[in-house]
Amino acid sequence: AQSVTQLGSHVSVSEGALVLLRCNYSSSVPPYLFWYVQYPNQGLQLLLKYTSAATLVKGINGFEAEFKKSETSFHLTKPSAHMSDAAEYFCAVTQFSGGYNKLIFGAGTRLAVHP
Amino acid sequence: NAGVTQTPKFQVLKTGQSMTLQCAQDMNHNSMYWYRQDPGMGLRLIYYSASEGTTDKGEVPNGYNVSRLNKREFSLRLESAAPSQTSVYFCASRPGQGVFSYNEQFFGPGTRLTVL
Repeated sequence: AQSVTQLGSHVSVSEGALVLLRCNYSSSVPPYLFWYVQYPNQGLQLLLKYTSAATLVKGINGFEAEFKKSETSFHLTKPSAHMSDAAEYFCAVTQFSGGYNKLIFGAGTRLAVHP
Repeated sequence: NAGVTQTPKFQVLKTGQSMTLQCAQDMNHNSMYWYRQDPGMGLRLIYYSASEGTTDKGEVPNGYNVSRLNKREFSLRLESAAPSQTSVYFCASRPGQGVFSYNEQFFGPGTRLTVL
């Protein structure tokens, strides 16, 4: 069965600093991987997704993630944090079971950005 | 295009009361999902529907029922609410019916439910 581990439930960075949010997955088949962002009191919005086309995936708002099969990782990065990046971020992997396609989410990482 | 809509936005129930959470999508998606979000636990799948007329249990289905009324609507019912069901509930939809499709899920704004 697929699973996702996000290292660090809270990450704090200074404005302008590098953002690195870690995600490791386990999957018995080539995975589809996603990063979602949740702003306060809102639903989840897709940041980017990996579908095996390219290992470096660029998303919205300057975020990108690199798929590393050898490390079973899909870490999210942004070179320079903005105050508006403060939110909760979720990594997810697709699970195929019983003929259905479902998402398995990590526990989430809350990003704080301070001046 | 409203995307995925959910009603109500907030609800307070007493233990033992029942209620239905409504979800609708206008994107002609085949698959729909209900999740609950609890602090430190991410999103957990309650029920899903791969297509109109089909539903199946997810990770945490106990205490819930669902109805896929038509292609647009997927409701979640709590028959006898319990304090453990205090949570934020999200509905999502996904285009395509293929199992190996990599289409992402689109989420509604959520319903905050408190059970006293």
